[in-house]
Amino acid sequence: NAGVTQTPKFQVLKTGQSMTLQCAQDMNHNSMYWYRQDPGMGLRLIYYSASEGTTDKGEVPNGYNVSRLNKREFSLRLESAAPSQTSVYFCASSDRLHTDTQYFGPGTRLTVL
Amino acid sequence: QQQVKQSPQSLIVQKGGIPIINCAYENTAFDYFPWYQQFPGKGPALLIAIRPDVSEKKEGRFTISFNKSAKQFSLHIMDSQPGDSATYFCAAYPGTASKLTFGTGTRLQVTL
Repeated sequence: NAGVTQTPKFQVLKTGQSMTLQCAQDMNHNSMYWYRQDPGMGLRLIYYSASEGTTDKGEVPNGYNVSRLNKREFSLRLESAAPSQTSVYFCASSDRLHTDTQYFGPGTRLTVL
Repeated sequence: QQQVKQSPQSLIVQKGGIPIINCAYENTAFDYFPWYQQFPGKGPALLIAIRPDVSEKKEGRFTISFNKSAKQFSLHIMDSQPGDSATYFCAAYPGTASKLTFGTGTRLQVTL
């Protein structure tokens, strides 16, 4: 039982490049989330998915897109990376939306030069 | 955006001390208050959570105190240990059709 897995663990991009962060959970959870963590800013919600087939914007969605591929997988795409997107990205999942325990992945550290 | 204000930003205590981390919220509709613990290089993990129908909840050495009238809640760590050194996040959920909001985090260091 791996919980929430994320790939890659580290990534360096140049401004304007695109990439997709992958996330998968094996706990049969309905809801999944993408957060970014920046020093002094805490965890900020980028996008979330209440259930398979649905996605909604969080607090800081600009510059990102998401896909809920199936119940297990939720990907985050940066179409044209900017230095302001340098951050640590966490995927999380929970059974019920928002009010259940959220289980976090190990994170992806992204640097945009 | 609903706000949750967390303080202090960082905290150093000696082993055996009782660090206290405070959070304040604005929206009286908040009805779920979890605390997450994050070790360096790891994702956050739920530590303890409270709902506003109780004023205190204990799990082992960790206690949440909740003051509904003051719109504040705090985390106390009894008999703190070096292994408790981590970043702690409070959070609050303001009710349906909204989202869990995290505080900015408190970096705790417990020294020998």
